[in-house]
Amino acid sequence: DAGVIQSPRHEVTEMGQEVTLRCKPISGHNSLFWYRQTMMRGLELLIYFNNNVPIDDSGMPEDRFSAKMPNASFSTLKIQPSEPRDSAVYFCASSLRGTEQYFGPGTRLTVT
Amino acid sequence: QQQVKQSPQSLIVQKGGISIINCAYENTAFDYFPWYQQFPGKGPALLIAIRPDVSEKKEGRFTISFNKSAKQFSLHIMDSQPGDSATYFCAASQGVTNAGKSTFGDGTTLTVKP
Repeated sequence: DAGVIQSPRHEVTEMGQEVTLRCKPISGHNSLFWYRQTMMRGLELLIYFNNNVPIDDSGMPEDRFSAKMPNASFSTLKIQPSEPRDSAVYFCASSLRGTEQYFGPGTRLTVT
Repeated sequence: QQQVKQSPQSLIVQKGGISIINCAYENTAFDYFPWYQQFPGKGPALLIAIRPDVSEKKEGRFTISFNKSAKQFSLHIMDSQPGDSATYFCAASQGVTNAGKSTFGDGTTLTVKP
């Protein structure tokens, strides 16, 4: 298996622009997680899905952030409008049977 | 109650030494305790995990010690090598009950000096 796939790997955008991050989980996994990692705040869980249904979005920082999972093999995290403080590495992870999580390589987002 | 407290924040060990990282939790409903290893520029990757029905699990040079009554668990890296230099995260989850949602510690940056 190719593992969790994220795109793009790097994104540089200007403040106010819309940013869409994409994730393809490992085939057969039924849970998907979006994390944000920064030096200051560490690894933060933003939202997670189980069987394509959002279970807990309490970690989403504000209404500018939204996430969807239209099917079992694809999820997006959207930031609109983006701000410099959104600059971070965003990870997607998937899990089967509620045990270990498999992380993707991450998307490094820079908002100028 | 959902916090997992990890210490130390950073650790420097000589090659061949033992690295020890500690974590403590509050929620007694947690039933799965993984450790993740993260190298710069990469995503965290599962290193070793334990369930609370055992007090110790060993895989190669890596050992988890688990103390259920104290609600603490620790990672021991024996014969530490420069290639072990990475950031280590402990985590705790309620497994299937919570669809695998994990609460992560803040991470420990390990540097192994040659």
